[in-house]
Amino acid sequence: GNSVTQMEGPVTLSEEAFLTINCTYTATGYPSLFWYVQYPGEGLQLLLKATKADDKGSNKGFEATYRKETTSFHLEKGSVQVSDSAVYFCALSTANSKLTFGKGITLSVRP
Amino acid sequence: DTGVSQDPRHKITKRGQNVTFRCDPISEHNRLYWYRQTLGQGPEFLTYFQNEAQLEKSRLLSDRFSAERPKGSFSTLEIQRTEQGDSAMYLCASSLALVNEQFFGPGTRLTVL
Repeated sequence: GNSVTQMEGPVTLSEEAFLTINCTYTATGYPSLFWYVQYPGEGLQLLLKATKADDKGSNKGFEATYRKETTSFHLEKGSVQVSDSAVYFCALSTANSKLTFGKGITLSVRP
Repeated sequence: DTGVSQDPRHKITKRGQNVTFRCDPISEHNRLYWYRQTLGQGPEFLTYFQNEAQLEKSRLLSDRFSAERPKGSFSTLEIQRTEQGDSAMYLCASSLALVNEQFFGPGTRLTVL
């Protein structure tokens, strides 16, 4: 079956630090890959996505590259802000259907 | 349209009672999904509809759970004879069938005492 593994958290960074959140996956077929974000008190929002190998998704300064050879989709941002504090979920879908999520990781950015 | 809405936002019930949640998707979206999220975990898929047809149900969805989407618009999720283990956030999402991008509602938080 499909599964997503995220690095253990939480992660605490100072403002303007570099961010990497690791995500690896197992899937049958060719999945689409996603990062969702949940800000405090809000619902899940799609942050970025990639639908095929070597695609790079990007949004709000965040980037992730679909690496088929390493089955990974790591999230990066060059300079985090306090407003990036949230819970981040890596997810996949196959056959354009249900999402399979990782456990999520809490990011706290201090001024 | 302001997005996916869910009602109620919070529900507290006693063990053994029945509860029903409603989800209103984005109006032009023909797919509707239900997920369940417990503390410290990512959302887990429960079931989904395309229009009024229920196309897939998770093994997580015991026979105490039933979902409907009678006219292909809003959906309801009913839990019968609730148990403490049913306490969770129930999330609804919608999408267009040909676009692999799901939009989530704010969720209904269920607490079973």
